[in-house]
Amino acid sequence: GDSVTQTEGQVALSEEDFLTIHCNYSASGYPALFWYVQYPGEGPQFLFRASRDKEKGSSRGFEATYDKGTTSFHLRKASVQESDSAVYYCALVSSNMGYKLTFGTGTSLLVDP
Amino acid sequence: EAAVTQSPRNKVAVTGGKVTLSCNQTNNHNNMYWYRQDTGHGLRLIHYSYGAGSTEKGDIPDGYKASRPSQENFSLILELATPSQTSVYFCASGDSDTIYEQYFGPGTRLTVL
Repeated sequence: GDSVTQTEGQVALSEEDFLTIHCNYSASGYPALFWYVQYPGEGPQFLFRASRDKEKGSSRGFEATYDKGTTSFHLRKASVQESDSAVYYCALVSSNMGYKLTFGTGTSLLVDP
Repeated sequence: EAAVTQSPRNKVAVTGGKVTLSCNQTNNHNNMYWYRQDTGHGLRLIHYSYGAGSTEKGDIPDGYKASRPSQENFSLILELATPSQTSVYFCASGDSDTIYEQYFGPGTRLTVL
């Protein structure tokens, strides 16, 4: 079945550091890819999506580019802030799986001021 | 603004007891989902629904039932709760019009003693 792999369980940075969270996927068909963010005590919330190869999704200074060749959708931000501390989930939706979201295990980002 | 609410927000149950978690959405979305969130596993799909009267098994349905009596309401039922079902449960709604972007509720923390 479809799967999403996030290799970093935790990332610790200082303010203004560059952020990369890696996301790789395995899916039959042509999935849509998503990033969700979850702040403490809240449910996950949609950050952005990309639906086709080479498409860039972006929001709030975060961005990721759909790469079908490397089956990746890495999350990047040029300069993180303390308020970006949260858990980030990569996810995919595949029509072959009934349009259900398949999530990665999440990456906890902690940004020190 | 999309709105998904869950009740109760916190629940302590005894082993073998029956637990019902409720979810209400005012988005008029066709699809609703129940997930559980555990450290190291991320978000895992338990049951989902395509509309009133329908329920489908997700990736980890064992020990859970679901009920969708109306467009707005979706319940998760633990007939015989076990300590392994201690977790945080999230409800979400979504639709094809939003390219399956899902809106999550605030979560229910369930402890089974």
